[in-house]
Amino acid sequence: GDSVTQMEGPVTLSEEAFLTINCTYTATGYPSLFWYVQYPGEGLQLLLKATKADDKGSNKGFEATYRKETTSFHLEKGSVQVSDSAVYFCALTLSGNTPLVFGKGTRLSVIA
Amino acid sequence: GAVVSQHPSRVICKSGTSVKIECRSLDFQATTMFWYRQFPKQSLMLMATSNEGSKATYEQGVEKDKFLINHASLTLSTLTVTSAHPEDSSFYICSARDRHISTEAFFGQGTRLTVV
Repeated sequence: GDSVTQMEGPVTLSEEAFLTINCTYTATGYPSLFWYVQYPGEGLQLLLKATKADDKGSNKGFEATYRKETTSFHLEKGSVQVSDSAVYFCALTLSGNTPLVFGKGTRLSVIA
Repeated sequence: GAVVSQHPSRVICKSGTSVKIECRSLDFQATTMFWYRQFPKQSLMLMATSNEGSKATYEQGVEKDKFLINHASLTLSTLTVTSAHPEDSSFYICSARDRHISTEAFFGQGTRLTVV
């Protein structure tokens, strides 16, 4: 079945460090790919998305590129802030009425 | 982006009572809503898919008689935890798909349920 694998955390970085969270997927078709962020005690917020190969999603300094050849959608940010501390989920979906398939989440802690 | 409102955000109830959680899409029509459960420091576990006007589809291992889902309109789905027990304590999150933006899914704020 369809699945998402993302690097396990926790990841601890100093402020202004470079961030990469790896995400790879397995899907029977051509999925749309997402990164969601969850702050403590809250629901999920869409961070960015890409719907086809070579698309780059970006938001708030975060970027991820849909790589069909490597089935990957790695999340990157050039300079993290303390406020970026959260759990990040990579996810995919194949169609409008199917649920998202989530990775296990990666907890990021950024220290000043 | 579109807004999904989930209510209540926190609830504490006694064992044996029932709790209803509401999920509303505020500015779009959602033909499909999803209910997830999240254990501490874990990912989201899909419980059921709720389609407007029809019965919900439950994932394997989820008791349909315990977790009652109703999707009476294009903007409202409810999850009722019946005869709650302490092991039902968890974080419940709903998600709604916009019928006009098929790849987008929006999430509620989540409900922290504590059964004492």
